[in-house]
Amino acid sequence: QQQVKQSPQSLIVQKGGISIINCAYENTAFDYFPWYQQFPGKGPALLIAIRPDVSEKKEGRFTISFNKSAKQFSLHIMDSQPGDSATYFCAASNTGGGNKLTFGTGTQLKVEL
Amino acid sequence: EPEVTQTPSHQVTQMGQEVILRCVPISNHLYFYWYRQILGQKVEFLVSFYNNEISEKSEIFDDQFSVERPDGSNFTLKIRSTKLEDSAMYFCASSPDTRRTEAFFGQGTRLTVV
Repeated sequence: QQQVKQSPQSLIVQKGGISIINCAYENTAFDYFPWYQQFPGKGPALLIAIRPDVSEKKEGRFTISFNKSAKQFSLHIMDSQPGDSATYFCAASNTGGGNKLTFGTGTQLKVEL
Repeated sequence: EPEVTQTPSHQVTQMGQEVILRCVPISNHLYFYWYRQILGQKVEFLVSFYNNEISEKSEIFDDQFSVERPDGSNFTLKIRSTKLEDSAMYFCASSPDTRRTEAFFGQGTRLTVV
């Protein structure tokens, strides 16, 4: 019940295209859903996050879509750039339960010229 | 911009030896965490620490692991008797307080047990 399932495992997108990464969770106690970006040899860096009281959050080229009834959320990267090539992790936490993050398995994104 | 710093960046140790991984969280943060990432796999929670005590720990965090905040700035993870399967990237993270849930991660320490 603590798992967060993430797909796809890898993704290749052309420069300027839209990258879409999906996650699903089971634990209805989760109430905070961040996305992290990780470059090789670096720590995860918080990209954008959403709470279940809204269905969408946009920050620049990055948008989270959230479907509470389906227990799914997704990251959309608009106008994808080669510099976006990284591993993306979705995560979830129960903020009333200590803020422990449960991570998805990660998506390796490659944006080609 | 404030950041979480970790030392060393890479540690190689013999199986059975003790290692201490060090972290300096962001100065006004109150919650501290250790996570690990085995090569190519997802990031896994180890332990959270608040108000000078462990607030939650995972099944991975067994008796060979311990954490400490020896002074006002450092946060350490000790592995008493390392095993080959402890080889991983260890990340320290910190959060401001219970109302702000953003966790900021350090660059990590790559632990290699030989």
